[in-house]
Amino acid sequence: SSELTQDPAVSVALGQTVRITCQGDSLRTYYASWYQQKPGQAPVLVIFGVNQRPSGIPDRFSGSSSGNTASLTVTGAQAEDEADYYCNSRDTSGEHPVFGGGTRLTVL
Amino acid sequence: QVQLQQWGAGLLKPSETLSLTCAVYGGSFSRYYWTWVRQPPGRGLEWIGEINPSGGTTYNPSLKSRVSISADTSKNQFSLKLTSLTAADTAVYYCARATITTIAVVGYKYYYMDVWGKGTTVTVSS
Repeated sequence: SSELTQDPAVSVALGQTVRITCQGDSLRTYYASWYQQKPGQAPVLVIFGVNQRPSGIPDRFSGSSSGNTASLTVTGAQAEDEADYYCNSRDTSGEHPVFGGGTRLTVL
Repeated sequence: QVQLQQWGAGLLKPSETLSLTCAVYGGSFSRYYWTWVRQPPGRGLEWIGEINPSGGTTYNPSLKSRVSISADTSKNQFSLKLTSLTAADTAVYYCARATITTIAVVGYKYYYMDVWGKGTTVTVSS
């Protein structure tokens, strides 16, 4: 079982805002990183650290954290944002990484 | 821009050994954690293991008895071996570059995988 918990699926109307959450005790020590994965493609890092976006990631993606919960927010969701999103950090011991189970985002 | 290029056999039989290699182009090999992740069909991401900047390795406890990761720093390459394969090992295997950073002021750390290979589909079937 994953030490990071995500809702399996979330939907959002085109142009609206959606929040995807990730819960786990390790998030009290590690900021979560977030990955977008489209069918048949490798995951792509979209958020890491406090709220940092790699080069090329649109600024409609943002991250936040409070206690044991991390959130990925997509403000003004676009059709191309439809994908699976995974959170990731190290485990509570820091020994090895863990992934959340993933959230499928559907843009209606 | 850093790129990871991975290769290895894609069709294996039960009990055989999976061998994959990932080459790092365009960036430093030191300072990073070189990682393998897999994804069974229709399922989520599973971390397999990593080799750290000091050359030490850490593995997923569920795979520890069957997995080994090594690096050839002279070639900027790292490799994965997974023995005693079964159908449950059928997955897309990814190599990735990871970083751990500590923010001393607030006592928080962050960990992320910022560069990924394209993936290798491995099928285990008799």
